[in-house]
Amino acid sequence: AQSVTQLDSHVSVSEGTPVLLRCNYSSSYSPSLFWYVQHPNKGLQLLLKYTSAATLVKGINGFEAEFKKSETSFHLTKPSAHMSDAAEYFCVVATLYNFNKFYFGSGTKLNVKP
Amino acid sequence: NAGVTQTPKFQVLKTGQSMTLQCAQDMNHEYMSWYRQDPGMGLRLIHYSVGAGITDQGEVPNGYNVSRSTTEDFPLRLLSAAPSQTSVYFCASSYSPGAATGELFFGEGSRLTVL
Repeated sequence: AQSVTQLDSHVSVSEGTPVLLRCNYSSSYSPSLFWYVQHPNKGLQLLLKYTSAATLVKGINGFEAEFKKSETSFHLTKPSAHMSDAAEYFCVVATLYNFNKFYFGSGTKLNVKP
Repeated sequence: NAGVTQTPKFQVLKTGQSMTLQCAQDMNHEYMSWYRQDPGMGLRLIHYSVGAGITDQGEVPNGYNVSRSTTEDFPLRLLSAAPSQTSVYFCASSYSPGAATGELFFGEGSRLTVL
């Protein structure tokens, strides 16, 4: 079975400081992992994905995530937050054996203070 | 450059009424899916399709029907709406369901309220 746990429902940072959004996953098979972002009243957009290549994945807008199998984690980071990063972020898992289903975490709302 | 188009954007129903949420994509994607988004629960898969004529259930299929007669369209039907179906619904499509690109393209959502 596959599942995702996002450890923080809300994260608040100041503009210019680092961002860390935490995600742990559970998967019976080799996972593919994704981060999506949702701005208010919008659909979701892919930030980055891990599909068994390099464990450090770079995405759009300066975000990156590291796949750590031993810790079953896929945390999202950014060195310096911008006001435009304020949004909700979703960690998602799928498996190589059943790519038809994506399992979403419950989301982390990022607030960026000026 | 339409991408994934959902209609309507907003809808209010009374308990027991039926309606169809429309989803259309112009990217020739084989994979299409419907999710519902509820506060604190992320997105949950309702139904999905891997091509015309092929559909399957997701995590929360009860109360919803789908069909896929063309590659472009994947409507979601509520036969007898219940207040528990009040939610924001998202349609998403993908060229390849995960393996090749892993990218789901989302519509902007349909907000449904059932009174």
